[in-house]
Amino acid sequence: QSVLTQPPSASGTPGQRVTISCSGSSSNIGSNYVYWYQQLPGTAPKLLIYRNNQRPSGVPDRFSGSKSGTSASLAISGLRSEDEADYYCAAWDDSLSGGVFGGGTKLTVL
Amino acid sequence: EVQLVESGGGVVRPGGSLRLSCAASGFTFDDYGMSWVRQAPGKGLEWVSGINWNGGSTGYADSVKGRFTISRDNAKNSLYLQMNSLRAEDTALYHCARVTNDNLFDYWGQGTLVTVSS
Repeated sequence: QSVLTQPPSASGTPGQRVTISCSGSSSNIGSNYVYWYQQLPGTAPKLLIYRNNQRPSGVPDRFSGSKSGTSASLAISGLRSEDEADYYCAAWDDSLSGGVFGGGTKLTVL
Repeated sequence: EVQLVESGGGVVRPGGSLRLSCAASGFTFDDYGMSWVRQAPGKGLEWVSGINWNGGSTGYADSVKGRFTISRDNAKNSLYLQMNSLRAEDTALYHCARVTNDNLFDYWGQGTLVTVSS
């Protein structure tokens, strides 16, 4: 059972906008930054969003993040076939003194 | 270019030990904390352990506390994970990851597979 809660799956058609939610608590999302990772099949996770809504260089602006209270979300606009991947949210947890992840959301581009 | 390359995985019997290594390049290794994150087959990500820049502070997930030991050698730009008393539930792909100022991860290695089976 993951500390952060994500929907197991999401889907959309090319060009659509999709959002993935991530729910936590006051000890993690409520008091720390949220990061998002994209994991393509058979590859290592790649940082997509850091500090709730910041994009590393090279990440398209189709990807955006937001946070409110103890929840966060990742939005992908202009969906493309190459966006089909697993997406994970993460935060530091002050009570556990460790990093915590969501269970991952498998995005399917129909 | 930041590169993290893990090694040392393999098949081990329950109760056995294994030592993982991570060779870092492309950045000033002793400027950063480092972590190990694992992924069981077909499952999500789980933080395992972390260490600060000089090895003076470490942390462990409850699931591995007392069995795993993280360490680093800044002269060799290397990170290690000594795993003892291994259990079937430790079977996973183990990634090393560079830690940001927010205690989360920006760069990841491809991982090394640990299989605990009799």
